[in-house]
Amino acid sequence: AQRVTQPEKLLSVFKGAPVELKCNYSYSGSPELFWYVQYSRQRLQLLLRHISRESIKGFTADLNKGETSFHLKKPFAQEEDSAMYYCALFTGGGNKLTFGTGTQLKVEL
Amino acid sequence: EAGVAQSPRYKIIEKRQSVAFWCNPISGHATLYWYQQILGQGPKLLIQFQNNGVVDDSQLPKDRFSAERLKGVDSTLKIQPAKLEDSAVYLCASSDTGLGDSYNEQFFGPGTRLTVL
Repeated sequence: AQRVTQPEKLLSVFKGAPVELKCNYSYSGSPELFWYVQYSRQRLQLLLRHISRESIKGFTADLNKGETSFHLKKPFAQEEDSAMYYCALFTGGGNKLTFGTGTQLKVEL
Repeated sequence: EAGVAQSPRYKIIEKRQSVAFWCNPISGHATLYWYQQILGQGPKLLIQFQNNGVVDDSQLPKDRFSAERLKGVDSTLKIQPAKLEDSAVYLCASSDTGLGDSYNEQFFGPGTRLTVL
């Protein structure tokens, strides 16, 4: 069965410091990975997907099939990055997502 | 474009009572999802509809939970009777037809926070 692991419940960094939110997945096939974000008092929304290979709000994520990881990175954290981040796995068929438990990112001044 | 609408936003009930949540998806979206998000966990899919038919309800506790989407648009999720462990945020999401091999983005509503006392 597929599984998504986000080992950190809370990650606190200072403004301007690099950020790395960890995500590991378990799936024997060819996965699609996503990062969803939920800002305070806002709804859950898609941040980026690995197949697009683009940078959104300065964030990037590379799928590493050897390590089964999809870590989210940003070189310089901003205060507005403070939010809850969820890694999600799509394994095809039925459009279903398996979410990780989420990491709360707190960017301090 | 209007997003996914849900009501109520908050609900407090006593255990063994019943409760219902309503969802209105984005116009034209054929697929509708109900998720349960318990505090400290990620969203867990309860049920998925394609138009007015159920695609997946494997994780729906059918002894107490029920859901319907009679006209293929709005949906209701009901819990009867509620238990303490049902305290959670219930999220509704919708997407274009999502039965193929490519992911169609799911758009989420604001959620309903249920507290069972």
